[in-house]
Amino acid sequence: GENVEQHPSTLSVQEGDSAVIKCTYSDSASNYFPWYKQELGKGPQLIIDIRSNVGEKKDQRIAVTLNKTAKHFSLHITETQPEDSAVYFCAASAGTSNAGNMLTFGGGTRLMVKP
Amino acid sequence: DTAVSQTPKYLVTQMGNDKSIKCEQNLGHDTMYWYKQDSKKFLKIMFSYNNKELIINETVPNRFSPKSPDKAHLNLHINSLELGDSAVYFCASSLNTDTQYFGPGTRLTVL
Repeated sequence: GENVEQHPSTLSVQEGDSAVIKCTYSDSASNYFPWYKQELGKGPQLIIDIRSNVGEKKDQRIAVTLNKTAKHFSLHITETQPEDSAVYFCAASAGTSNAGNMLTFGGGTRLMVKP
Repeated sequence: DTAVSQTPKYLVTQMGNDKSIKCEQNLGHDTMYWYKQDSKKFLKIMFSYNNKELIINETVPNRFSPKSPDKAHLNLHINSLELGDSAVYFCASSLNTDTQYFGPGTRLTVL
């Protein structure tokens, strides 16, 4: 089955700096790669996702890049703000079943943005 | 206008008991899921379900079973609870293979 590795496990940056989180996946059939943000005591919230037919996607301060050959994808957050502090999860799915996407998650990255 | 809701938010129970967690979505989605988040924050899929198919992660004990009375609900039943079942359980929903929206979670503590 799919295995997703995520690095780093913790990341501390100064407000205004950029943050980069990297993930690798093992199943070459995976074609859907979402990123979730989880704040304390809440459920994961989708912040951006990418499908395997594109290499990059951007939404304001957040961007995701995908390298299918190397089987890795990354989350880039620019101009970080204290409210960006949370745990971020990457995930991958092949979406081959009739019952939606069985997401395999990475281990999470705790991002701390220092004011 | 809650999208995916779960009840209860907290559940404390004794080993050996049977309990249920309820999940409802008002997004008109056709697929629902259950995930388990352990104490180290690791998120793992348990079930994926729509009216076509139920997919069970092979690592999930058969003490866990999803029950769907209709498309908007997917409840999680757990029999003979064990200490290791303590975790936060998240329900999610999607329209087929599109974006998954997560509920707020149910923190289960087994004593």
